[in-house]
Amino acid sequence: AQSVTQLDSQVPVFEEAPVELRCNYSSSVSVYLFWYVQYPNQGLQLLLKYLSGSTLVKGINGFEAEFNKSQTSFHLRKPSVHISDTAEYFCAVSPNYGGSQGNLIFGKGTKLSVKP
Amino acid sequence: DTGVSQDPRHKITKRGQNVTFRCDPISEHNRLYWYRQTLGQGPEFLTYFQNEAQLEKSRLLSDRFSAERPKGSFSTLEIQRTEQGDSAMYLCASSRTGQLSYEQYFGPGTRLTVT
Repeated sequence: AQSVTQLDSQVPVFEEAPVELRCNYSSSVSVYLFWYVQYPNQGLQLLLKYLSGSTLVKGINGFEAEFNKSQTSFHLRKPSVHISDTAEYFCAVSPNYGGSQGNLIFGKGTKLSVKP
Repeated sequence: DTGVSQDPRHKITKRGQNVTFRCDPISEHNRLYWYRQTLGQGPEFLTYFQNEAQLEKSRLLSDRFSAERPKGSFSTLEIQRTEQGDSAMYLCASSRTGQLSYEQYFGPGTRLTVT
């Protein structure tokens, strides 16, 4: 079975400051990793994904994440946040059984609040 | 690409009533997923379809829940004899098959309140 732990439920930060949202996972098989963002009253939107290859992945809106297999982590970072980044961020994994498969296992989410 | 749509966006019902939600996926997507999200939690997987075949169901999907995708296009999720614990946001997502199946596109959700 897989599980995802997002270590911070809320992260307040000032505008233009850097931010890191932490995500750790547990799995007995290899996984694919994802970050989704949910703006108020909107659906989940894919920010970025790690399937294979370079462990540093870049996504939309200036976000990036680094896959660390030894630490089973996939932390999300942005060097300078904007007010518009205020949203809830979800880390998710999908087990890799060698074929296409799709159901996602989500963490509980981190609410990012960017203050002026 | 008009995105994933869900109807209704909000539903208030009394305990014991049946409710049905609809999801229209992105037109060229073969796969369709249902998730449930309760307050303070991330989405939890319920079930998914590839075309009209229901390929996987979570143990969260009790006997009171049934999902269909009769023609491989839109899907419905029905909850019978609703309970207060069913109050949640019900999310639908769709994707292609193959490696692109990992890119799931979510709809805005249907918020169910059971009184």
